[in-house]
Amino acid sequence: GEDVEQSLFLSVREGDSSVINCTYTDSSSTYLYWYKQEPGAGLQLLTYIFSNMDMKQDQRLTVLLNKKDKHLSLRIADTQTGDSAIYFCAEKTRPSNYQLIWGAGTKLIIKP
Amino acid sequence: DAEITQSPRHKITETGRQVTLACHQTWNHNNMFWYRQDLGHGLRLIHYSYGVHDTNKGEVSDGYSVSRSNTEDLPLTLESAASSQTSVYFCASSEGNEQYFGPGTRLTVT
Repeated sequence: GEDVEQSLFLSVREGDSSVINCTYTDSSSTYLYWYKQEPGAGLQLLTYIFSNMDMKQDQRLTVLLNKKDKHLSLRIADTQTGDSAIYFCAEKTRPSNYQLIWGAGTKLIIKP
Repeated sequence: DAEITQSPRHKITETGRQVTLACHQTWNHNNMFWYRQDLGHGLRLIHYSYGVHDTNKGEVSDGYSVSRSNTEDLPLTLESAASSQTSVYFCASSEGNEQYFGPGTRLTVT
């Protein structure tokens, strides 16, 4: 069945780059998403990439997609304390129509 | 600005009681979703709707129901609350490729 996997935690130093990884199993994915959840808040859409692209950049965020390996990553340049959050990867597959398949989330911890 | 709101933000209830969580969106989106979020499970889909009078079961729908009488609202009802339903509940709406979330309702069943 469809599955999305993420590491549960990532710890980085302030100012370094953070790279959050995600793998998925469904080769029919159309769009892949990154959401951010700050403590006590809902999920905020950060960015998403169409499956025929391999890279998307938006200010400090870079999304890389390796469709062959079914691997998605989110790179945050110059990580700041405000980037502390849980980051969710999600995929949209054709059979599921508007539904998203979610990873369990990666908690990004920033060390001073 | 268009938004999606949930109420209440926090709720404590007793086992066996009926509880309804409200979700209201002003995006005029056709698609609406209810998720629960539990540690180690990420988001799990409870119910979803693709339009007025349309409702569908998600992967964890047992013990929950929804109804869609207008575009803006998708209330979630727990028919007889159980301790296993203690969770944070999120409502979301979408049109096209972007899904937007409400702030969540933290429900505790004692």
